[in-house]
Amino acid sequence: DSGVTQTPKHLITATGQRVTLRCSPRSGDLSVYWYQQSLDQGLQFLIQYYNGEERAKGNILERFSAQQFPDLHSELNLSSLELGDSALYFCASSTRQGSGNTIYFGEGSWLTVV
Amino acid sequence: GQNIDQPTEMTATEGAIVQINCTYQTSGFNGLFWYQQHAGEAPTFLSYNVLDGLEEKGRFSSFLSRSKGYSYLLLKELQMKDSASYLCAVTYMNRDDKIIFGKGTRLHILP
Repeated sequence: DSGVTQTPKHLITATGQRVTLRCSPRSGDLSVYWYQQSLDQGLQFLIQYYNGEERAKGNILERFSAQQFPDLHSELNLSSLELGDSALYFCASSTRQGSGNTIYFGEGSWLTVV
Repeated sequence: GQNIDQPTEMTATEGAIVQINCTYQTSGFNGLFWYQQHAGEAPTFLSYNVLDGLEEKGRFSSFLSRSKGYSYLLLKELQMKDSASYLCAVTYMNRDDKIIFGKGTRLHILP
């Protein structure tokens, strides 16, 4: 158990819908990362927050957005869902910002768009 | 670009040794991680290399050559539970805090 908690674990929804994935980082961690992993694909970096502020942005679609709240939990919002958005979405956290900090992953949220 | 290259798949025999290579762009390089990921599960941290050389941790060792943009993960005394994907990930000093992952190497262990 990494200490990173993600909900829901599984989600099935229809195309065009909107979903919110939630992440609670490890106790004391200020950085939260979101990654997308499609079948047979690598981990694609989406976005990172540090202490409530956006710190780095990756290949995140405009239909997707995220935020980190004062209590440090984070949410990833996915809207106008398409079949291709079906993937495993991971949240990860680390103690502080800056390269070289080990990140610890949650168990992921399986999203299936039908 | 930040291409991180590692073999897609490898096969090895239980009890043997296997080396998984990873190459990356050297410009702005800061450090390199190795993670293990079983299918459908979260990646778990194995090692982190910043300086050149070999870091040994039990049956797993990781090597880094900064000048060559090259790393490898060495797994000894392979066990069936080592069947997993092994992800090489790199951080760059000039790329904010992004940790960029390779596509992973799927390792199959045969009895």
